[in-house]
Amino acid sequence: EPEVTQTPSHQVTQMGQEVILRCVPISNHLYFYWYRQILGQKVEFLVSFYNNEISEKSEIFDDQFSVERPDGSNFTLKIRSTKLEDSAMYFCASSVRDEANTEAFFGQGTRLTVV
Amino acid sequence: DAKTTQPPSMDCAEGRAANLPCNHSTISGNEYVYWYRQIHSQGPQYIIHGLKNNETNEMASLIITEDRKSSTLILPHATLRDTAVYYCIVRVARGNKLVFGAGTILRVKS
Repeated sequence: EPEVTQTPSHQVTQMGQEVILRCVPISNHLYFYWYRQILGQKVEFLVSFYNNEISEKSEIFDDQFSVERPDGSNFTLKIRSTKLEDSAMYFCASSVRDEANTEAFFGQGTRLTVV
Repeated sequence: DAKTTQPPSMDCAEGRAANLPCNHSTISGNEYVYWYRQIHSQGPQYIIHGLKNNETNEMASLIITEDRKSSTLILPHATLRDTAVYYCIVRVARGNKLVFGAGTILRVKS
């Protein structure tokens, strides 16, 4: 069964360092998303991406964040200068279409720990 | 987005049906009801979704009331592996993000 794949599963970085989280969406999907979940809190939407452009972003997704689809298979989230409060699980998701009747599928997440 | 209300937690005996309720009294006519679950800190797992009619798939059934103001997710024969946080989400017709609430912690007990 096709699935969304995320790497690494766990990333430890020092405050102020740049990190890149990687995702391989399901192959025929065209819409890509990043969500995050701080420990013990709700899953929060960060950004959606289609046709090499950001479709929507939340207030969390500030200038420190960027997304990119560098090739035909990968979708990345970059945090330029990490802060302690960026420590969280980051989930990538993808869907075939951008319609309310279309489910999104999530990866297993990357646990980012900023020290 | 319409807000949803779910009980914070529920218990269910293994092998019995788990019925998880959700209120969405402000839902609009073009908004879908989605259910996802999250086991430990894994990625949310899609379960089922519907608009008006009841839906069934290999994982669960979704019963939506006629006025669409509430719904129930039914896991017909709950197993220990169904222990998870279950999220009921109302999704707008335009726009593609999912807005997660606190969900219901379902504990399946032997």
